[in-house]
Amino acid sequence: DTAVSQTPKYLVTQMGNDKSIKCEQNLGHDTMYWYKQDSKKFLKIMFSYNNKELIINETVPNRFSPKSPDKAHLNLHINSLELGDSAVYFCASSHNRPRQGSSYGYTFGSGTRLTVV
Amino acid sequence: AQTVTQSQPEMSVQEAETVTLSCTYDTSESDYYLFWYKQPPSRQMILVIRQEAYKQQNATENRFSVNFQKAAKSFSLKISDSQLGDAAMYFCAYQGGGADGLTFGKGTHLIIQP
Repeated sequence: DTAVSQTPKYLVTQMGNDKSIKCEQNLGHDTMYWYKQDSKKFLKIMFSYNNKELIINETVPNRFSPKSPDKAHLNLHINSLELGDSAVYFCASSHNRPRQGSSYGYTFGSGTRLTVV
Repeated sequence: AQTVTQSQPEMSVQEAETVTLSCTYDTSESDYYLFWYKQPPSRQMILVIRQEAYKQQNATENRFSVNFQKAAKSFSLKISDSQLGDAAMYFCAYQGGGADGLTFGKGTHLIIQP
């Protein structure tokens, strides 16, 4: 029973293509996130969705767009892919507020390694 | 904005010994959470330990413990009896009082020498 699952795990694509990464969580969490881990291993948040509302939108190119059909899903769409988009993308989820004994219950997916050639 | 600093890009320790990874952070909030995550080569993000800022007692999880100094904004991780399986990247992370995302440090690569 995977708590946060994202697909695909690996994605190789050509420059200029449009691609999507899917994420689903079965934890009943209220908020979902996308993080980018660059080649130097630095992790930075890109987006989060809370009850279908975008509540964080870091300064990422508008070629990246999160789409949340429901509370359990947050997909990441990327248009006109560029070489610099190559990275590992992590989906995560959490509660809105900390729960007793479990804080926010942050849980990460296993990551999607995107390679743009 | 909150910042998290890990000043040790890489650390090496002999198996069975103890190692401490350092982390400092900057925030104006009084209510927050701090985390240490482990990322092995499999790239899975694994929660090692967490600390609620309002708790004075340092968190412990088996061989892992933290030294949380709120006034100094310091949050170091101590790994006792290091094992080969502890080899990984370790990230310190900060979570503010709202449902914001985590702010990560740049990570420390921990090497375990057999």
